[in-house]
Parts: sequence; structure tokens; C-alpha cells
Amino acid sequence: EPEVTQTPSHQVTQMGQEVILRCVPISNHLYFYWYRQILGQKVEFLVSFYNNEISEKSEIFDDQFSVERPDGSNFTLKIRSTKLEDSAMYFCASTFGAGRYTFGSGTRLTVV
Amino acid sequence: GENVEQHPSTLSVQEGDSAVIKCTYSDSASNYFPWYKQELGKRPQLIIDIRSNVGEKKDQRIAVTLNKTAKHFSLHITETQPEDSAVYFCAASSGGSNYKLTFGKGTLLTVNP
Repeated sequence: EPEVTQTPSHQVTQMGQEVILRCVPISNHLYFYWYRQILGQKVEFLVSFYNNEISEKSEIFDDQFSVERPDGSNFTLKIRSTKLEDSAMYFCASTFGAGRYTFGSGTRLTVV
Repeated sequence: GENVEQHPSTLSVQEGDSAVIKCTYSDSASNYFPWYKQELGKRPQLIIDIRSNVGEKKDQRIAVTLNKTAKHFSLHITETQPEDSAVYFCAASSGGSNYKLTFGKGTLLTVNP
């Protein structure tokens, strides 16, 4: 079964540093997403991406965040100047359409 | 925007019993309702989903019911087993241009042997 792959699985960074989280969605999928989950809490929408542009972003997704699909296969989330409250599990997901997501295994980001 | 409420937050049952988790949503335009199972430290995995044109869907021991009028949907697990222990999330989507999912807060299900 096709998978969404994410790297790294765990990232520790110092407050104020920039991080890039990487995802390879399923190849024939058209919609791509980033969600985050703070420990013990619900999964929260960050941003959706379709046709090489952001289709929707949440209030969480401020100027600190950006997404790119640089080469037709990778899908990245960049967090500039990380804060302690950015510590969370970040999940990439993709779907061909009709909502059935496949989630990646996640990147646990720890900001110290 | 959409708001999804999920109850209960924790549920403990004996092996073999049934478990029911309930969710309500606020956006009447929502038309897709998936349920995800998340084991500790792992990714959410889709276990069943339902679209607004049907009222019930079943897959072996798992079933989902949808009441569009009341804007609520439920997950039913029968003959629970210890391996059903996990956090279960409901979600809702209005489709639109991006199929964004709004999740409930999750239910920690514990099945005691």
C-alpha cells in the first residue's frame, strides 16, 4: 500500500532557529496538508495545498510558517524562528480527492 | 468555521462489550465524516468513513451512523478486543475546494481483558 513518508521522525531545535519538515506524498495524490498535534490534544489543521498553491490556511499558520512543493514530489513545511509552543507532532497528509487522507508517520518537533 | 465536539473523552469497557463514541458538528454543509484510530506515538489511521448521502455504514465490528438533521454521528465498535485500545478521532469536512478535515478532541478507549 502506498505511504506518505516524512523526515525526520524527530527534530530537536533551539528556540529561534528555523526548521524544515519534509514529506513525500503519494504520487498520484492532488491535495496536500500539514496538521499538527500538541501532545495529548487533537489534530489541528495548518494548511492545505492544491495545484501548486495554498488553498486554505488556519489562524495558526502565520508568517512564521511557509510551505513549498519544490520539485513535484517533496512537500515541505518551514517554520522560521521557532518558539517553545511550536513543539508538537507534525503530520503531513495527502489525498487524491473526496477526503480520504493518508497520513504520514509524523515528525516530532521539540523546541528547547 | 466547522466545530466538532466529541464525547466521551475517555471510555473504558470490558473485552467483548460494545463501545460507542459520539460526535456533533456545526456546519450543515459538512458532507464527509471519517473516523481515525491513533495508537500511542503513531499516525492517525482511517478506520471507517461515511458520506452524507447514507445514514449508516458497517465494516465487520465497526459501524458509523449519521443523523444529518441533528448534525451528529457515532462510531460503534462491537465485541471489543484489547487491540482496539487507542485514541479515536472523529472529523468532518465540507469538501469544497480542499477537503479540509476538522477533528474532534479524541476519545481514549481502553478495553480491559
